[in-house]
Amino acid sequence: QVHLQESGPGLVTPSQTLSLTCTVSGDSTKNGDFYWGWVRQPPGKGLEWIGYIYYTGSDYYNPSLRRRVSLLVDTTKNQVSLRLGSVTAADTAVYYCVRVLSDAFDVWGQGTMVTVSS
Amino acid sequence: EIVLTQSPATLSLSPGERATLSCRASQSISFYLAWYQQKPGRAPRLLIYDAVNRATGIPARFSASGSGTDFTLTISSLEPEDFATYYCQQRFNWLTFGGGTRVEIK
Repeated sequence: QVHLQESGPGLVTPSQTLSLTCTVSGDSTKNGDFYWGWVRQPPGKGLEWIGYIYYTGSDYYNPSLRRRVSLLVDTTKNQVSLRLGSVTAADTAVYYCVRVLSDAFDVWGQGTMVTVSS
Repeated sequence: EIVLTQSPATLSLSPGERATLSCRASQSISFYLAWYQQKPGRAPRLLIYDAVNRATGIPARFSASGSGTDFTLTISSLEPEDFATYYCQQRFNWLTFGGGTRVEIK
């Protein structure tokens, strides 16, 4: 069974960089059938795709976030990491790690809440 | 950006009733649509991909149809565990989600 576990700080200061890690178990980030990515959900609101990455390093980002976001995949640790720079209160959300199959999100982590506040 | 509009925003039904949820795209997206179910405090779950295909382990009471700009998710007979919020998501041009339909107990 595939399991995705998000980890990282729950509180980030405005203008700083949000950094999260997703640890994959039950599958390999080198599995060529899938991409690995992130989706977020502000409190009480809908879902927003952030981006996804292939094990080769090929990456794709939401155009609205592209200038501030980067993903990295570490196949030796079976992890995918997210970095989102210059955060504001609008980046406060639950961040989900996802497995991506044909641009659908077929496996989700439990999510981690990140609050941007001073 | 392709905008997905879901209707109604809230659907009030009783267990055993049929639920029909709509997702309309701002331009044609062919069959590139997925549906997700989300319960409070939980991660979403993939129900349907490519407009009509049930994901692994999804009960047969969930079905979907549509192509182009108009899509429908149908739950043939609501079970207690089906009361949740449902989102559609397109993959024709980048990836975007609809605003969701909440299915609540009447």
